[in-house]
Amino acid sequence: DTGVSQNPRHKITKRGQNVTFRCDPISEHNRLYWYRQTLGQGPEFLTYFQNEAQLEKSRLLSDRFSAERPKGSFSTLEIQRTEQGDSAMYLCASSRTYTEAFFGQGTRLTVV
Amino acid sequence: AQSVTQLGSHVSVSEGALVLLRCNYSSSVPPYLFWYVQYPNQGLQLLLKYTSAATLVKGINGFEAEFKKSETSFHLTKPSAHMSDAAEYFCAVREGDDKIIFGKGTRLHILP
Repeated sequence: DTGVSQNPRHKITKRGQNVTFRCDPISEHNRLYWYRQTLGQGPEFLTYFQNEAQLEKSRLLSDRFSAERPKGSFSTLEIQRTEQGDSAMYLCASSRTYTEAFFGQGTRLTVV
Repeated sequence: AQSVTQLGSHVSVSEGALVLLRCNYSSSVPPYLFWYVQYPNQGLQLLLKYTSAATLVKGINGFEAEFKKSETSFHLTKPSAHMSDAAEYFCAVREGDDKIIFGKGTRLHILP
């Protein structure tokens, strides 16, 4: 068990560019969550998957954000046409249904 | 929809003193409740969880929390604070197999 792995750990991008983050969950976990965290705030729910099915996407989430989990394994989160307001820590977590979530170390995005 | 309120964005206690971090939840069904800790530039680590078994839950590093349905509370305590307890603490709730929602967090400062 290697835990939840997120790549890259840090990403600096210019405004208007697209970025993609990857999350590898704990292998037997069917649930996968994406959260966004800004300084001094709690993790804000973005979306989550059960296997390959996306169960819910936050209504606060812009259409520039999209997530996939092909084959129910790893997941990617893409942000198109990045804005400075997208600068944040993006956290991925995984779990079995009805159990606690285990978090990765996060990907820190800086949009300049 | 479920929600979490953490009272006090910052709490300071002296080393050796009691730690009390407050969490109130809102849920339309019996909830699952969690406390997580986050150190700077790290992901979240589970401290303890309530899953409808014992109302007093013991976690790692000497922390415990008590589920009080009548008060819709799940406060986190530790009898004697240690310098290494300085971190950000998040309370979280999940209704059934729904997504996990986090509070805004409480930063715990330990005074020498």
